[in-house]
Amino acid sequence: NAGVMQNPRHLVRRRGQEARLRCSPMKGHSHVYWYRQLPEEGLKFMVYLQKENIIDESGMPKERFSAEFPKEGPSILRIQQVVRGDSAAYFCASSLEDSNTEAFFGQGTRLTVV
Amino acid sequence: AQRVTQPEKLLSVFKGAPVELKCNYSYSGSPELFWYVQYSRQRLQLLLRHISRESIKGFTADLNKGETSFHLKKPFAQEEDSAMYYCALAGNTDKLIFGTGTRLQVFP
Repeated sequence: NAGVMQNPRHLVRRRGQEARLRCSPMKGHSHVYWYRQLPEEGLKFMVYLQKENIIDESGMPKERFSAEFPKEGPSILRIQQVVRGDSAAYFCASSLEDSNTEAFFGQGTRLTVV
Repeated sequence: AQRVTQPEKLLSVFKGAPVELKCNYSYSGSPELFWYVQYSRQRLQLLLRHISRESIKGFTADLNKGETSFHLKKPFAQEEDSAMYYCALAGNTDKLIFGTGTRLQVFP
């Protein structure tokens, strides 16, 4: 089991472009979480998804950000029209169904907006 | 509201000294609490959880509901303990809420 895989590890985008971050959960895991870590800050919850469903998106900015976890394929965090303030490390975690939330993390995608 | 507070951004100790990383939480129900650790250039990983009441790498943490705390302790710090430590809370929606983290530096 390769663990939670995130790609790309590093992503550079110009202001106004779109950023797509991918997360492949651990085999058998049906729950995915996305977190954002700004410089000098902790992990901020963004969204919690199960297959084809968004369970909790209370941490997602209202505009430009969206997430999905389709029946097949990885979870995608999409940021449209990126701005400098979106520069951060984005972490994905996955867990088993009914696992009491022990989450396994990916290595993150570092987004830099220039 | 669910909240996790780690008051110290940085904690520096010498090897062999006791360590206590503070964590306080705010949650109206019965929380599940965790400590996660991130070593340099590695991914975040679970260190311990309060329901298992175990000691991992010499670390322990006791849930104190009266003080709403879940401090992480180790009697004798080692250099390899240097890392970023995050306290986390899971509420009824299963999402994990993290504190801002404490960087532990253990000097030789």
